[in-house]
Amino acid sequence: AQSVTQLDSQVPVFEEAPVELRCNYSSSVSVYLFWYVQYPNQGLQLLLKYLSGSTLVKGINGFEAEFNKSQTSFHLRKPSVHISDTAEYFCAVLGGKLIFGQGTELSVKP
Amino acid sequence: SAVISQKPSRDICQRGTSLTIQCQVDSQVTMMFWYRQQPGQSLTLIATANQGSEATYESGFVIDKFPISRPNLTFSTLTVSNMSPEDSSIYLCSVARGQSYEQYFGPGTRLTVT
Repeated sequence: AQSVTQLDSQVPVFEEAPVELRCNYSSSVSVYLFWYVQYPNQGLQLLLKYLSGSTLVKGINGFEAEFNKSQTSFHLRKPSVHISDTAEYFCAVLGGKLIFGQGTELSVKP
Repeated sequence: SAVISQKPSRDICQRGTSLTIQCQVDSQVTMMFWYRQQPGQSLTLIATANQGSEATYESGFVIDKFPISRPNLTFSTLTVSNMSPEDSSIYLCSVARGQSYEQYFGPGTRLTVT
C-alpha cells in the first residue's frame, strides 16, 4: 500500500529566504510522485511531478524537488520565496489511486 | 492541462437535504474523479466516475450517500444525499487524460451543512 507523510504541518519563513517542504513516501509499486499547491479558497494546481528519469525535477513558480529512492523522500525546495507563495502544499503518490499527504501550510512573512 | 469548472462554487444547505455538484471539462478526458477535503484536512478520494457505467467507490463511501453520474466524457455530477453537518467539506472534481498520470483539479465546491 502507498502512503505519504509530510513532516511539517506549518512552515513559517521570511520573504526571499529559501524553503524546503519535506515529504516521505512508501510504495510497493512503481513510484510516481507529485506536489500540488492550493491557494486560499482555490482548487489544487500541479507544481511538478516525478515519473522517471532525472531525480531533480523542476516545476512552475521556481520550485524544484528531488526524488531520493534510498531515503524514500521527495522534498520540495525554492531558493527564494515570495509573499505570493503563501499556500497549502500537498505531496502525493500515485499507485492505483492518488494518495495525498496531510499538507504543509507555507506562510511567507515580509 | 484542462479547464475544469464546478457548480455551485459554494452552498449552505440544511441537514436532511441533498445537493448535486456539477463538473464540466473543456475537452474530452478519460478519467474523472471526486474528492472530499474536510476542514483543515487533506484530500480523500470518494470515487472514480466511469462513463456509461456505475462509479467505483472507495472504502467508506457508498452509492446511496454519494450517487455519481457521468453521461459523457466531459461532464459528471456528484450528489451528497441526506446531508448532515459532518458532510461540510470542499468537494473537488479532477480529471486525467489517456495514459497521463497527471490529475487536474477543479476549483472545488465549498459545502456547509447547518
